[in-house]
Amino acid sequence: DADVTQTPRNRITKTGKRIMLECSQTKGHDRMYWYRQDPGLGLRLIYYSFDVKDINKGEISDGYSVSRQAQAKFSLSLESAIPNQTALYFCATSAPGQGTYGYTFGSGTRLTVV
Amino acid sequence: RKEVEQDPGPFNVPEGATVAFNCTYSNSASQSFFWYRQDCRKEPKLLMSVYSSGNEDGRFTAQLNRASQYISLLIRDSKLSDSATYLCVEKGGYALNFGKGTSLLVTP
Repeated sequence: DADVTQTPRNRITKTGKRIMLECSQTKGHDRMYWYRQDPGLGLRLIYYSFDVKDINKGEISDGYSVSRQAQAKFSLSLESAIPNQTALYFCATSAPGQGTYGYTFGSGTRLTVV
Repeated sequence: RKEVEQDPGPFNVPEGATVAFNCTYSNSASQSFFWYRQDCRKEPKLLMSVYSSGNEDGRFTAQLNRASQYISLLIRDSKLSDSATYLCVEKGGYALNFGKGTSLLVTP
């Protein structure tokens, strides 16, 4: 099993629908992140959480919300999806004090809003 | 937003060639630096960390120049399997900040 699992892998949804992307990890890391990737724009941070009671907005949080249900689970919601939220979404984890080890990423969720 | 700038390429090189990627960052408080590799439609994977003293991992060498806020990655003896996008990454605060990536295509 993967260390960081994202579901679904692919999703097509309609404008205005609410959708949740889920992320779970078995690495025991406290820190979790949601990024989106668009062609030509690189990865941009949406939200991050350093523990269950800590949620922080990233660079592009508008239109998104998150829930940290447990240390191992971090969900991203689009309350009312719009076409410019079509992107590849990645969840990542890290442990404090492991700055030299970078992040572990999930395999991504490809979301299309039509 | 603190910027990480990379030449997007693409870099097309023959097998066996040496290729160098460069990156600049704007956050003088950045603490950690990395190169990540990303294959098409896949997740980024850590290639190597970057240290001021320079570091090498097989055919890959990374350098950091804090005074110039410049990072480099050198790939020697390129393989077909090196074809990917290489992401320059800095961490100056709470999360990793990614460059847009440099595309490498190694041809037979």
